[in-house]
Amino acid sequence: AQSVSQHNHHVILSEAASLELGCNYSYGGTVNLFWYVQYPGQHLQLLLKYFSGDPLVKGIKGFEAEFIKSKFSFNLRKPSVQWSDTAEYFCAVTPAFTGGFKTIFGAGTRLFVKA
Amino acid sequence: SAVISQKPSRDICQRGTSLTIQCQVDSQVTMMFWYRQQPGQSLTLIATANQGSEATYESGFVIDKFPISRPNLTFSTLTVSNMSPEDSSIYLCSVSQSNGNEQFFGPGTRLTVL
Repeated sequence: AQSVSQHNHHVILSEAASLELGCNYSYGGTVNLFWYVQYPGQHLQLLLKYFSGDPLVKGIKGFEAEFIKSKFSFNLRKPSVQWSDTAEYFCAVTPAFTGGFKTIFGAGTRLFVKA
Repeated sequence: SAVISQKPSRDICQRGTSLTIQCQVDSQVTMMFWYRQQPGQSLTLIATANQGSEATYESGFVIDKFPISRPNLTFSTLTVSNMSPEDSSIYLCSVSQSNGNEQFFGPGTRLTVL
């Protein structure tokens, strides 16, 4: 069965520290990849997405993610986090070019940034 | 983008009763989905709401327990029937303009079943 694994459930960082959140998926075909973020008290919203092309994608608020096909990974990075990045981050994968297009979400990573 | 509202935002219900959750979108959308997010867990797709026809349910979810309506391209309802404490969860509506594309999420409905 398809699955998405996020390596860390909770991450605590100080402001200005670098961030990398791991995401691996199990699906052998072509995929669309997403990172969603949920800030405290707000809706889930899209942070960035990858469909094709340059495997290094840039999203909002200085976030970026790199798709490494050989590793089935789509890790999220930010060089210097801010207190306002405190949120829960979800990696999501949708198999492309299939009839179902069901999106699979990872378990989420709660990031807390200390001011 | 799309702006999505859900009603109610939260509710506390007694075991054995049913609750209907409404999802309203500010524009016509192709795809509407219903998810469940149980405490400490990720989002699990319940079903895809199809306009004018029966919803498409995922494994482990059935129409008798989670009847869904979608009368038009901007509105859908999810009913949680014959509730038990195990149904306590956040229920999320999401929409997308095409299969496989990004989704826009509603604020969720936090359900507690006593």
